[in-house]
Amino acid sequence: EVQLLESGGGLVQPGGSLRLSCAASGFTFSAYAMSWVRQAPGEGLEWVSLIRYTGVDTYYADSVKGRFTISRDNSKNTLYLQMNGLRAEDTAIYYCAKTHNNGWVSDYWGQGTLVTVSS
Amino acid sequence: EIVLTQSPGTLSLSPGERATLSCRARQTISRNYLAWYQQKPGQAPRLLIYGASSRATGIPDRFSGSVSGTDFTLTISRLEPEDFAMYYCQKYDKSPLTFGGGTRVEIK
Repeated sequence: EVQLLESGGGLVQPGGSLRLSCAASGFTFSAYAMSWVRQAPGEGLEWVSLIRYTGVDTYYADSVKGRFTISRDNSKNTLYLQMNGLRAEDTAIYYCAKTHNNGWVSDYWGQGTLVTVSS
Repeated sequence: EIVLTQSPGTLSLSPGERATLSCRARQTISRNYLAWYQQKPGQAPRLLIYGASSRATGIPDRFSGSVSGTDFTLTISRLEPEDFAMYYCQKYDKSPLTFGGGTRVEIK
């Protein structure tokens, strides 16, 4: 059974940093690209970032480019999102998601971790 | 960047009725790499349809997807009580993997 467990969310002041983790199990983690998707309170889904299975190629939404860094440790079956320069508009639930073997569609999702940026 | 426009914003229907949701792209999406997700309050999204028309594992056959050019459609043939939820489309051919704004299917 595929399981994705996010952690690392919490309350942080504007300008601060936070690192999210996503522990994966139930599949061959090193074989799949992984994504982060966020959802602000009461809003829709926003794709944040994707990393290919090797970890070499990464992609970002314009809204986070230059501030967020996605990475992975295939030996630990863990995905990360380093978030720097946080803003109030980054407040959201952050989901990690596994991609399908047919393109970058997200076929399994974690339950999310809440990040609140506020003074 | 390809923008995805979902319509209507809200669909008010009764159980047993047919639901037709639209997702329109401004440009061609390569290989019809368009997915549909369902999300219920307090839950993570669930993949319903990928490749515009392929059902994900475990998805009932009352859910179907179709495409005509840059117009994508999710159809729920007969609404069950558990189908009342938010629905999002997403393109995943290349970065950015944009989502549409969503359609809420509510009980009339």
